[in-house]
Parts: sequence; structure tokens; C-alpha cells
Amino acid sequence: AQTVTQSQPEMSVQEAETVTLSCTYDTSESDYYLFWYKQPPSRQMILVIRQEAYKQQNATENRFSVNFQKAAKSFSLKISDSQLGDAAMYFCAYKVSGAGSYQLTFGKGTKLSVIP
Amino acid sequence: EAGVAQSPRYKIIEKRQSVAFWCNPISGHATLYWYQQILGQGPKLLIQFQNNGVVDDSQLPKDRFSAERLKGVDSTLKIQPAKLEDSAVYLCASSLKRAWATDTQYFGPGTRLTVL
Repeated sequence: AQTVTQSQPEMSVQEAETVTLSCTYDTSESDYYLFWYKQPPSRQMILVIRQEAYKQQNATENRFSVNFQKAAKSFSLKISDSQLGDAAMYFCAYKVSGAGSYQLTFGKGTKLSVIP
Repeated sequence: EAGVAQSPRYKIIEKRQSVAFWCNPISGHATLYWYQQILGQGPKLLIQFQNNGVVDDSQLPKDRFSAERLKGVDSTLKIQPAKLEDSAVYLCASSLKRAWATDTQYFGPGTRLTVL
């Protein structure tokens, strides 16, 4: 079974600084997808960034980028120029490729606080 | 474009009572998901529909949980009878295509259920 581990229950960052959230996963699959979702207090999960396992290039979305290390099964999220609106729970998620169910397997999340 | 709608936002019931949650996905989205998110954990998939058919319900406690998606649009998740451990946020998500792995899941705001 696939598992996703986020080892940092809580993190904090000064406004305008950079922070990195860690995620590791365990899978025997070779083709899969990895995601970072943001969940603010409103509870609505919002997709931040997505990475296809077959791509060597790390995904980037504006201030958000990932460091994907397939051999190490590591998928960290870097937030640059942190803003107050970035404060939220961040969940790392995994999804296998291929036929059948495409359920997302989530980690337990990291609560990010942004200090003004 | 309207997002995924869920109601109610909050529900408090006594154990052994019944409760139902409603979800209206984004218009045109074929795939609908129900997730359970217990406090301090990431969401866990309960059931996935493709149009009005069930794709995956392997983690749905079928002795007390049921879900339907009549006409392939709205969906209802029911718990009967509720237990204390059912206290959680129930998230509905939808995606456009036929559950392809690259298909982004869009989440609703969730229903917070408290069982006393």
C-alpha cells in the first residue's frame, strides 16, 4: 500500500522569507503523480502544484516550487517570498497512474504559520 | 464557474442518529469523490463515482455508510446510525474527465460533523 509521510506537523516562516515543507512517500509503482494541496481555515482544499513522476524537471508555479527526488521518494515544497495568505495546512498527496481508481492518498499535513 | 457546493456546512447529532450530506459537483464533471477527514489527518477516500456508477468504495464502511449519485450529477452521503468516531469533515470533490490520473480534483468546503 502507498503511504505518504509529512514529518513536520508545524512550521513557521517570517513574511517574505522562504520555507520548505517535507514529504516522503512509499510506493512500488514507477508511474504516479504527486501533489501539494493547501487547506486554509475555510477547509476548502486548493491544488498548489503537481508533479508527474516521469518528468525529471521540477514543477514550478509562481512562488511555489518542488524538489522531486524520485530515487529517494522525496517531494518537498518550497514557498518563496512567503505571504500572510500562505498560512494554512499543506497536504502532500500521491496518485497512481493506470487504469482503475485514482484516489488521492494524503499525508497528515503540515500547519504553516506566517509571521508578520 | 461555480465550484463544488456542499451542504450543510455544520451538523451536530447524537450517536445512533442518522445524517445526510449533499454535494453538487462542478457542472460537467463526470467523476465525484467523497472523502472523510478526521481531525489531525489528511482526507481519506470513502467512495468514487464515475457518472452514476461506483468506481471504488473499498474504504466505505458499508454497514453504516451509503452514497448515491442519481442521474450522475448531485450526490448524497448518508450515515445510519452514526458513531462517535464518525466525527470528521466530509469533503466532496469532482473532476472533469474519466478519472484520469492527471485530472485535477476540485474540492468543496466540506461538512463538519460532530457526533455527541
